[in-house]
Amino acid sequence: NAGVTQTPKFQVLKTGQSMTLQCAQDMNHNSMYWYRQDPGMGLRLIYYSASEGTTDKGEVPNGYNVSRLNKREFSLRLESAAPSQTSVYFCASSEGTSGSIWGEQYFGPGTRLTVT
Amino acid sequence: KNQVEQSPQSLIILEGKNCTLQCNYTVSPFSNLRWYKQDTGRGPVSLTIMTFSENTKSNGRYTATLDADTKQSSLHITASQLSDSASYICVVRKQTGANNLFFGTGTRLTVIP
Repeated sequence: NAGVTQTPKFQVLKTGQSMTLQCAQDMNHNSMYWYRQDPGMGLRLIYYSASEGTTDKGEVPNGYNVSRLNKREFSLRLESAAPSQTSVYFCASSEGTSGSIWGEQYFGPGTRLTVT
Repeated sequence: KNQVEQSPQSLIILEGKNCTLQCNYTVSPFSNLRWYKQDTGRGPVSLTIMTFSENTKSNGRYTATLDADTKQSSLHITASQLSDSASYICVVRKQTGANNLFFGTGTRLTVIP
């Protein structure tokens, strides 16, 4: 099992460009999440998907959109990148059984995004 | 306000020595607390979970404690190894609410030979 995979690993964008970060998991998990991690700050939730077909905003959703393509895949899109979106982005998944979508989360290796 | 504070921010210890990392939280009502280890350039990996009724739990050389009354947790690492060099993140789950995971900013541990 690969666990949670993310592509790309590194990306440099110019301000105003768009891109999509891809995430896939092979653990048959129901719930998936997108976080950003900045120096000196804890992981902050951007969006999450409790189950296939649903998505919800997290703490810092502005400037992002998500798509839960199927049970395995959850993508994060930046429509018009800004320097403030320079960060490391982590995708995570969890089993997401009833009443515990916030159980143990399995994280991907991260995508380092720089916006100039 | 729901918060998770970790201390120290960073720590350097000699290989073979022990250390203790602290996590204080104000999250309420409390559900559980996890410690994650994050190696440089990788995603966090869960080390242990503490629920309300648990005081101590061990995972190899890692021992977590929880005092739900004082809202404090610690992670004790025994006989440190170079591979313990990482960031350790405390995550507290609230019982209710939509976004109910609260992350600490982590303690950066460096083990030197």
